[in-house]
Amino acid sequence: DIQMTQSPSSLSASVGDRVTITCRASQSISSYLNWYQQKPGKAPKLLIYAASSLQSGVPSRFSGSASGTDFTLTISSLQPEDFATYYCQQSYSAPYTFGQGTRLEIK
Amino acid sequence: QVHLVQSGAEVKNPGASVKVSCKASGYTFTSYYMHWVRQAPGQGLEWMGIINPSGVSTNYAQKFQGRVTMTRDTSTSTVYMELSTLRSEDTAVYHCARGGQITVAGLRSGMDVWGQGTTVTVSS
Repeated sequence: DIQMTQSPSSLSASVGDRVTITCRASQSISSYLNWYQQKPGKAPKLLIYAASSLQSGVPSRFSGSASGTDFTLTISSLQPEDFATYYCQQSYSAPYTFGQGTRLEIK
Repeated sequence: QVHLVQSGAEVKNPGASVKVSCKASGYTFTSYYMHWVRQAPGQGLEWMGIINPSGVSTNYAQKFQGRVTMTRDTSTSTVYMELSTLRSEDTAVYHCARGGQITVAGLRSGMDVWGQGTTVTVSS
């Protein structure tokens, strides 16, 4: 199985900050990497697919990039509604594993 | 508008089975894969498996092989996930989530629409 390792596991930031979350795959997954946002008690929401494509309706402050087996989710200017848990997920091959999550908290 | 509506919460005894439903609307049911993902209390997301609603093909995570069965009813645009021999560690929220279109590329798409989740509690 492909292992997905996210860092950091938690992060404190302020409104307006630029934030970066990283996800590393245990082997090559090409660009088959997706990012999700989850708020407490809610279903996850797809933000980014294919490493860098913005899902329809998602604000442009969210972006994704890739370099080899390292992937990055960037939020350019944090908004109050962005405080949530973020997960990466590889869709290269089954089982379609998720990272362990990054909890983004208000500083 | 695309929607996935799941069945209600379940409480089961250890050793029992549970069957969760997920009714799709707003799109062509047989044109998109459907995944099942679960989340134990306070834990991360865990992929369980995928079903092709246009046929009978499924792919289950090794962890659940022999205990999980995913089926579909095209007449009602509903997919089902049945998990047997339940144990306390199966206590979780279970989500269905739409995958990509039924193509080779669609297997590698993200999950763009999610059901609201079904809480399954396993307790004696």
